Amino acid sequence: AQSVTQLDSQVPVFEEAPVELRCNYSSSVSVYLFWYVQYPNQGLQLLLKYLSGSTLVKGINGFEAEFNKSQTSFHLRKPSVHISDTAEYFCAVIDTGRRALTFGSGTRLQVQP
Amino acid sequence: DGGITQSPKYLFRKEGQNVTLSCEQNLNHDAMYWYRQDPGQGLRLIYYSQIVNDFQKGDIAEGYSVSREKKESFPLTVTSAQKNPTAFYLCASSRREGGRAAGELFFGEGSRLTVL
Repeated sequence: AQSVTQLDSQVPVFEEAPVELRCNYSSSVSVYLFWYVQYPNQGLQLLLKYLSGSTLVKGINGFEAEFNKSQTSFHLRKPSVHISDTAEYFCAVIDTGRRALTFGSGTRLQVQP
Repeated sequence: DGGITQSPKYLFRKEGQNVTLSCEQNLNHDAMYWYRQDPGQGLRLIYYSQIVNDFQKGDIAEGYSVSREKKESFPLTVTSAQKNPTAFYLCASSRREGGRAAGELFFGEGSRLTVL
């Protein structure tokens, strides 16, 4: 069965500082991995996805993530955050045995001036 | 513009009442999903449908029902049997590849249900 763990429920960071949001997954088969962002009282928007190929994936708004199969991780990074990046971020996984995404519990990124 | 429309955005219900949340998409996607979001718990899958007239239970289907009579529509009914229905409900859709979901989901803006 697939599962996702987001180790940090909240991450406070100052504006223009780098940030890393951690995600680990569990699956016995090959997977697709995703990061979504959610602004208050809205739906989720796709940031980036890993399907195959290069393990470093670049997404929108300057975010990137690296797929590490040996560590079963897919951490999200941004070298310099803005106030507008304040939101909740969700990691998600789907494997070949499932028909729907499984989401992590989310990480709230709080960017302070 | 193509997208997913959920209605109503806010809904209040008295205990013991059934309510139906609407979800319509014009993306021509085969697969549709309902997720429930509670603070600190992420998104949990309620029901999903890969094709018209077919749907499957997700991880927390008890107290909910769905129908898929049209490709564009996937309404969710929250029944009186759902013990804790107050939550944010998100509808999503995706393409299918090789008989399974393509993975990337497109989400609606959500419906917030409050039971009084």
